[in-house]
Amino acid sequence: GAGVSQSPSNKVTEKGKDVELRCDPISGHTALYWYRQSLGQGLEFLIYFQGNSAPDKSGLPSDRFSAERTGGSVSTLTIQRTQQEDSAVYLCASSLVRGKAEAFFGQGTRLTVV
Amino acid sequence: DQQVKQNSPSLSVQEGRISILNCDYTNSMFDYFLWYKKYPAEGPTFLISISSIKDKNEDGRFTVFLNKSAKHLSLHIVPSQPGDSAVYFCAAGAGNQFYFGTGTSLTVIP
Repeated sequence: GAGVSQSPSNKVTEKGKDVELRCDPISGHTALYWYRQSLGQGLEFLIYFQGNSAPDKSGLPSDRFSAERTGGSVSTLTIQRTQQEDSAVYLCASSLVRGKAEAFFGQGTRLTVV
Repeated sequence: DQQVKQNSPSLSVQEGRISILNCDYTNSMFDYFLWYKKYPAEGPTFLISISSIKDKNEDGRFTVFLNKSAKHLSLHIVPSQPGDSAVYFCAAGAGNQFYFGTGTSLTVIP
């Protein structure tokens, strides 16, 4: 596709359930980021993938959060045992090179934990 | 602790006038700065960037100014148009990680 694609666009889940959020980056982009935006907050960095290097997981808020990127392309963000404070818009972005290049964002997945 | 701050949550400007959006950061190691624009229900889209070796970057109606000593950057939109109405995020960082502000909602009044 032409842009970064995320699915689902909306997800409502019950507290305690696990969720998986998917990101298809722009073809050829080696860098992939996950951010989240909680209500009234800025974009919070979660995790960064660059090529085959070990991901930068420094932004993951707890061990309930994990992410993987298969084949250097599609990425999945998994949240286990969801809590109400996990409710947010989860945004994925990709860029052609690491660091100093603008990242292209997907439309986000709005997660609501009830 | 917010490393990038946008202290004005909203701004209203008349069409044709200048919009000035401000952003402050705390980490003097940040060497690259970006502005993103976000419409409702869409992901942010890149607008303009500046590296720390410059103090100004211009792209059409959009100009970003960087004051490293004050750890401050601003985005000027001249002239403002109704289609510019959106939430504007500034981002700052170094290397892999970028930190975003909380955004400023700009409304351009026709």
